[in-house]
Amino acid sequence: ETGVTQTPRHLVMGMTNKKSLKCEQHLGHNAMYWYKQSAKKPLELMFVYSLEERVENNSVPSRFSPECPNSSHLFLHLHTLQPEDSALYLCASSQVTGNYGYTFGSGTRLTVV
Amino acid sequence: AQTVTQSQPEMSVQEAETVTLSCTYDTSESDYYLFWYKQPPSRQMILVIRQEAYKQQNATENRFSVNFQKAAKSFSLKISDSQLGDAAMYFCAYIGPSVSGTYKYIFGTGTRLKVLA
Repeated sequence: ETGVTQTPRHLVMGMTNKKSLKCEQHLGHNAMYWYKQSAKKPLELMFVYSLEERVENNSVPSRFSPECPNSSHLFLHLHTLQPEDSALYLCASSQVTGNYGYTFGSGTRLTVV
Repeated sequence: AQTVTQSQPEMSVQEAETVTLSCTYDTSESDYYLFWYKQPPSRQMILVIRQEAYKQQNATENRFSVNFQKAAKSFSLKISDSQLGDAAMYFCAYIGPSVSGTYKYIFGTGTRLKVLA
């Protein structure tokens, strides 16, 4: 068990669907992150939550909507996605400063058809 | 702006041999941290080793060690006695102060390591 759990592991959705990715950690961390990992591209930071407040939104399209109801849970709500949004979505957590490193989940492999 | 560069998209090593993965970075900060992460086919990124910029001593974790050259802004990872389970993507990462109050992570593009039996 990694300490950061992501569900579902795989997701196939149509462009008109609405779905949500879930991330959960019980490590006592107080910062959580969403990353997008596409083939042959650097990891893209999407959102950062620190102490349950969104502190970073890196020009992510509005069809991605994050939610952090408490320090242990993070969601990524998806709607009207495009095929280019197909990627591995990684959740990570850390202490606020992050200087002890991140703990990552195993990711959700998203395919938009 | 900070950058992290991994110039080797792919490397191969014979089992039990030693391999070095390269990473260079650019920053104007003096206080920062550097990491190597491993991402096997299972997809979960695992922290391999961490280096504090203010420490001159190179970090070591069992078969993994780094060569940290602060002036040259170089941070290479050495894997000794390579094992088949070391096959993975390896990402170099930098973390330094951010205006948002959190620390800003910058990842390299990764090096795919193949271990040959």
